[in-house]
Amino acid sequence: ILNVEQSPQSLHVQEGDSTNFTCSFPSSNFYALHWYRWETAKSPEALFVMTLNGDEKKKGRISATLNTKEGYSYLYIKGSQPEDSATYLCASDLLMDSSYKLIFGSGTRLLVRP
Amino acid sequence: DTAVSQTPKYLVTQMGNDKSIKCEQNLGHDTMYWYKQDSKKFLKIMFSYNNKELIINETVPNRFSPKSPDKAHLNLHINSLELGDSAVYFCASSQSRQGRYNSPLHFGNGTRLTVT
Repeated sequence: ILNVEQSPQSLHVQEGDSTNFTCSFPSSNFYALHWYRWETAKSPEALFVMTLNGDEKKKGRISATLNTKEGYSYLYIKGSQPEDSATYLCASDLLMDSSYKLIFGSGTRLLVRP
Repeated sequence: DTAVSQTPKYLVTQMGNDKSIKCEQNLGHDTMYWYKQDSKKFLKIMFSYNNKELIINETVPNRFSPKSPDKAHLNLHINSLELGDSAVYFCASSQSRQGRYNSPLHFGNGTRLTVT
């Protein structure tokens, strides 16, 4: 069974705090790692797709890193704002049964208090 | 100007009925998917089509039948609905199939199916 796990499950921070979450995935059969941001009552929106070990990507105050050898990715939010409140999903593109499938974690729910 | 649109948004029906959920994407993508959000909020892949060809068919009851009339549409038909089918179903599309290039998914807004 190939699982993608995220921690913590939920996180409450104060406006202005910086925070980070972890995504762990099987390092074998790996092709790519995706991060999505999912606001309540909306659909998930892609933040980053990373494939190479050591990849780092940044979009505004949000950045992500990738370690494919040990099977983890971190998502960082610098100076959290209330509008950052959302569920952050990671998903790993894994080779399973001769085809690549995007396997999702259960998400980290972030609440930023003003 | 919605990129991935699915209808209906809500679907309430009785056990034993047959229902369909429609999905359309105007992004020119080659690959479309159906995901089910389970009771633990995980998004689980059900089906994937690439240029109208079925490429992923997970262990889903054969009461669920996807149909892709063209690469911009992927509909989901469900026969003999059961209580356990109640969930949120998400359609998505990507430029190419997974395992090739870096293709993020673009999701529809979901269809909340309630079977009573």
